[in-house]
Amino acid sequence: QKEVEQNSGPLSVPEGAIASLNCTYSDRGSQSFFWYRQYSGKSPELIMFIYSNGDKEDGRFTAQLNKASQYVSLLIRDSQPSDSATYLCAARGVSGGSYIPTFGRGTSLIVHP
Amino acid sequence: DADVTQTPRNRITKTGKRIMLECSQTKGHDRMYWYRQDPGLGLRLIYYSFDVKDINKGEISDGYSVSRQAQAKFSLSLESAIPNQTALYFCATSDTREIHEQYFGPGTRLTVT
Repeated sequence: QKEVEQNSGPLSVPEGAIASLNCTYSDRGSQSFFWYRQYSGKSPELIMFIYSNGDKEDGRFTAQLNKASQYVSLLIRDSQPSDSATYLCAARGVSGGSYIPTFGRGTSLIVHP
Repeated sequence: DADVTQTPRNRITKTGKRIMLECSQTKGHDRMYWYRQDPGLGLRLIYYSFDVKDINKGEISDGYSVSRQAQAKFSLSLESAIPNQTALYFCATSDTREIHEQYFGPGTRLTVT
């Protein structure tokens, strides 16, 4: 069974700090990885995707992928209270050609002023 | 207008009732999905469809059925609702020509009493 594991949190950081969110996955066939942000009561929205080992930066967000360790992370620099949300990690392989992502349970992030 | 819409947004129903949740999209995507989200359990896939004639079970399809009436419409039915189907339900779409990012509808909050 494919699994994506995340610490449920909450992860609490002060405003302006770096928030580090982590995710591990069990399926070595996973090829693409996604980070979604979900505000309470709202739908998930994609903020980053990564499919190559290393770092990918987009504004204040950096996604990191280490396929050997089956580990994905999301760094949020200069965290703002508006970043307070649940962050869902998803991994997608090509099993059966389906390209269906598996989601983790999410990590709750609280950025306090 | 929203690209992925769900109706109703909120619904309270009684045990044993049949209920249908509807999803429409204007993104022109071929793939559509139904998820449920429960506190602490993340997103779980109920059913998915890759085109109008294609229906596939997800990890928790028991007690649910779906219909893909057109490329743009995908409905989820609970034939005989039970209280443990109380959850937040999301419809999502994706496009095989893109990175397979999933676009989520606003969600339907269903309560079965």
